[in-house]
Amino acid sequence: NAGVTQTPKFQVLKTGQSMTLQCAQDMNHEYMSWYRQDPGMGLRLIHYSVGAGITDQGEVPNGYNVSRSTTEDFPLRLLSAAPSQTSVYFCASSYSRGHEQYFGPGTRLTVT
Amino acid sequence: AQSVTQPDIHITVSEGASLELRCNYSYGATPYLFWYVQSPGQGLQLLLKYFSGDTLVQGIKGFEAEFKRSQSSFNLRKPSVHWSDAAEYFCAVGGGNKLVFGAGTILRVKS
Repeated sequence: NAGVTQTPKFQVLKTGQSMTLQCAQDMNHEYMSWYRQDPGMGLRLIHYSVGAGITDQGEVPNGYNVSRSTTEDFPLRLLSAAPSQTSVYFCASSYSRGHEQYFGPGTRLTVT
Repeated sequence: AQSVTQPDIHITVSEGASLELRCNYSYGATPYLFWYVQSPGQGLQLLLKYFSGDTLVQGIKGFEAEFKRSQSSFNLRKPSVHWSDAAEYFCAVGGGNKLVFGAGTILRVKS
């Protein structure tokens, strides 16, 4: 199993550009989530999904969109990048509410 | 609202010394509790978890944690620290796809 994979590893965007961060898992997990990590703030939940076709907002959803068309994939879209979105983004998946989350290696995004 | 507090931003211990990282949480129901470790430039690795049952849980790499409901705490311990334990440690509460993380504690190990 590859586990949770994320692409790209690094990305630099200009303010106003859009892009999609990719996340995939091959563990047949129903639950998937996106977090951002900023120094001194731990990880904060952006959006999550409890299954294909079902998504919901987390703590910091503004400026991001998600969709879940398949169990395996959970892309995160930045609609119009802003410097405040400079961060490290982690995707995670879990089997159910009673199980731990498995994290991808992260995408480091810089917005100039 | 759920929240997690890790009071220590940095901790430095000597190699071979014991370690305790503190974690306090606020949660409206019986919590699921986790400790994750992150090495520089890496993703998060689960050290251990508490769902129910025995309040002293064992994890990987010789770590353990004790759940104390009366103190709303879930402190992480290791009897003898190795240089390779230097990393950032995160306590988290929740479950499934909605975890609330603490701000993290950076562990430095001096030889």
